[in-house]
Amino acid sequence: KQEVTQIPAALSVPEGENLVLNCSFTDSAIYNLQWFRQDPGKGLTSLLLIQSSQREQTSGRLNASLDKSSGRSTLYIAASQPGDSATYLCAGFSGGYNKLIFGAGTRLAVHP
Amino acid sequence: DAGVTQSPTHLIKTRGQQVTLRCSPKSGHDTVSWYQQALGQGPQFIFQYYEEEERQRGNFPDRFSGHQFPNYSSELNVNALLLGDSALYLCASSLGPGRHTEAFFGQGTRLTVV
Repeated sequence: KQEVTQIPAALSVPEGENLVLNCSFTDSAIYNLQWFRQDPGKGLTSLLLIQSSQREQTSGRLNASLDKSSGRSTLYIAASQPGDSATYLCAGFSGGYNKLIFGAGTRLAVHP
Repeated sequence: DAGVTQSPTHLIKTRGQQVTLRCSPKSGHDTVSWYQQALGQGPQFIFQYYEEEERQRGNFPDRFSGHQFPNYSSELNVNALLLGDSALYLCASSLGPGRHTEAFFGQGTRLTVV
């Protein structure tokens, strides 16, 4: 059974710091991996998609990497801002269909 | 280009009642998946619809059922509501089952069972 662990569960940092959020899968047979942002009580906003043939993706201050051999992904946030405060979720596509397996998320608080 | 839209945004129901949640996928998408998110947890897969058929199902009881219409929109029905069904229900759309493309989510429906 595929399970996803996200570390740390919560993080509080001052503005301007560079951050690393971690995600690991018990089964490294991941086809694609997607990182999401979720604001309190809201839906999910897709941040980055790493397809099975790729190792990383970048969007602005965000960079995500995927090591399929170990089943681990990292989300790097550069020069964090208070507006980055949210919960960050990683999810992997499992099986032949678009069934996403999610971690519990990392709650990030960036204070001025 | 409208993204994924869900209705209603909030809903309060009594134990034992039935509820219907609705989802319109992103333009051009033909596959709809439903997820349940309890407070403080990651979303859990309920089921997926493609070509008006349920293609895959997660570990949820038969009280949870769904439907997909010819215009690709979808409904999630929950019968005999329990207090434990209180959660944020999320709809995701994508292009085709088995295609590992990007999933787009709606804003969710917050269901409270009292």
